[in-house]
Amino acid sequence: GAVVSQHPSWVICKSGTSVKIECRSLDFQATTMFWYRQFPKQSLMLMATSNEGSKATYEQGVEKDKFLINHASLTLSTLTVTSAHPEDSSFYICSARVLAANTGELFFGEGSRLTVL
Amino acid sequence: TQLLEQSPQFLSIQEGENLTVYCNSSSVFSSLQWYRQEPGEGPVLLVTVVTGGEVKKLKRLTFQFGDARKDSSLHITAAQPGDTGLYLCAGYEGKLIFGQGTELSVKP
Repeated sequence: GAVVSQHPSWVICKSGTSVKIECRSLDFQATTMFWYRQFPKQSLMLMATSNEGSKATYEQGVEKDKFLINHASLTLSTLTVTSAHPEDSSFYICSARVLAANTGELFFGEGSRLTVL
Repeated sequence: TQLLEQSPQFLSIQEGENLTVYCNSSSVFSSLQWYRQEPGEGPVLLVTVVTGGEVKKLKRLTFQFGDARKDSSLHITAAQPGDTGLYLCAGYEGKLIFGQGTELSVKP
């Protein structure tokens, strides 16, 4: 299957700093990538849809100024958690949809665990 | 808002037992996927079902999509410890929405 890579896989930062997480599609192009957040023992919550060359679409309740998304190329989307606080600690997962697929199948990155001290 | 209700949320069984996980919604989805996720990793796609009434088999796993394309089930036959993990159903209608997940533990 298609490969999606996330970096870093884990990061620890101090409260108030900003953290950038990268999501790359390694062997295919993705006009659309999705960012999810997952708390322990819970399911994935869609945060935003990242569209190449345009603004991201955020889900209700997700602060766009807090979670900055940039999708500058067909293979890279980034999520920046600005002025991170302990409550932002979570597992962040990106996913991408193969261009030709219209059944919604997504390929997921390995996830990035963020811990804010 | 489209919601997917997944049940049970937790399941602990002995090796060799059978189990079924259910995924229900009041909304119609154009497709539904099942994923399996291990701790600290991203979900891995198991199967996609598209047609109402469709049944797909993946070794000991059987997936079914309801006739009305609102619900799905995952049946595991003769569960093994290696089946332990978080199973997630997800419905697609422009974007992928996940159910709450089923944490499965298979004890040897």
